[in-house]
Amino acid sequence: DAKTTQPNSMESNEEEPVHLPCNHSTISGTDYIHWYRQLPSQGPEYVIHGLTSNVNNRMASLAIAEDRKSSTLILHRATLRDAAVYYCILSRGPGYALNFGKGTSLLVTP
Amino acid sequence: DTAVSQTPKYLVTQMGNDKSIKCEQNLGHDTMYWYKQDSKKFLKIMFSYNNKELIINETVPNRFSPKSPDKAHLNLHINSLELGDSAVYFCASSQVRPVFQETQYFGPGTRLLVL
Repeated sequence: DAKTTQPNSMESNEEEPVHLPCNHSTISGTDYIHWYRQLPSQGPEYVIHGLTSNVNNRMASLAIAEDRKSSTLILHRATLRDAAVYYCILSRGPGYALNFGKGTSLLVTP
Repeated sequence: DTAVSQTPKYLVTQMGNDKSIKCEQNLGHDTMYWYKQDSKKFLKIMFSYNNKELIINETVPNRFSPKSPDKAHLNLHINSLELGDSAVYFCASSQVRPVFQETQYFGPGTRLLVL
């Protein structure tokens, strides 16, 4: 399985944008890039995913490098509720389990 | 309405006991999963079922036996519980066929403590 590398932790001020990086240099052509987050004492929650093009949804934006070897999850205005562990995961396709790494623990301060 | 529910939320038991955790999804999905999150917070897949058929079975002790009575339910039975089984167990579901949807939906977790 292709691996992802993320910083262990990041910190942001409330209402400021947050850019969470992820390296996946061994990504294969058919791997989708997924982001999930896990709030304290809760199950993981889907955030966004993409293949080649940048993606936007109501929660976040996903910027994917042209060579697909890295991606960045963008939270446009961090809130205290966004404090969570963010996981960057490469998905092999239908029915495959998600291979969670250590993720990035995001701290949001008022 | 809770999309993926698990019972119980907390489970405290003695070593050697047998226990079950239940999972139900009301999303109409055809695939369900069990993940384990250990004390170091690593989330690992244990099993997955598609339409009641086992499709993923990671290296998990035989003491763990999943059962899927129908595609909306995936239960996890654990025999002869050991201290190392203490963890949070998450159930998840997704849709694979006929239209594949990428998102997996997770339950709230069952916190198992073996004494």
